[in-house]
Amino acid sequence: AQSVAQPEDQVNVAEGNPLTVKCTYSVSGNPYLFWYVQYPNRGLQFLLKYITGDNLVKGSYGFEAEFNKSQTSFHLKKPSALVSDSALYFCAVRDGKSSGDKLTFGTGTRLAVRP
Amino acid sequence: GAGVSQSPRYKVAKRGQDVALRCDPISGHVSLFWYQQALGQGPEFLTYFQNEAQLDKSGLPSDRFFAERPEGSVSTLKIQRTQQEDSAVYLCASSSRQGYYGYTFGSGTRLTVV
Repeated sequence: AQSVAQPEDQVNVAEGNPLTVKCTYSVSGNPYLFWYVQYPNRGLQFLLKYITGDNLVKGSYGFEAEFNKSQTSFHLKKPSALVSDSALYFCAVRDGKSSGDKLTFGTGTRLAVRP
Repeated sequence: GAGVSQSPRYKVAKRGQDVALRCDPISGHVSLFWYQQALGQGPEFLTYFQNEAQLDKSGLPSDRFFAERPEGSVSTLKIQRTQQEDSAVYLCASSSRQGYYGYTFGSGTRLTVV
């Protein structure tokens, strides 16, 4: 079975400050890891993914994430937050070992960036 | 098309009514997924197709839920005898080779059962 935990329901940060949104995962094989962002009344927009290779992954809108195998984590980061980053963020995992493709999502973290 | 298209965007159904939700994936994407997202929750997996074959339907909550993709492109999620607990956003996603290149989601269909 595969699972994802996002321990924070909400993260608050001031504009211009760095932000981190936490994610830990559990899979039996090698993890394929994803971050998505969701704005109100919209679908999920892809931010970045880790499949293999460098542990630091760079994605859209200045976001990056670091894969840490020993801590089974894939935290989302951005050096300088913008008010427009305020949204709901989802971490997701797929077990690279399984033949199925399905993603398992976390419960989401709401990011609030104050001016 | 350029993205995953879902219709209708909004659907209000009376309890007991049948509904059909449509998903038009990105052209050439072999994998298609349906997810259910309740208010304030993360998406929950419903079912998965590879071309026209439904390979995993373990997430369908009851036998009132049925999905098909007869020609390996457009998919329809059908819910029979809708109930209030079916109210949610239904998201469709498609991907190319085993999700290696990512999954593209549609904007979803918000179903409200009254």
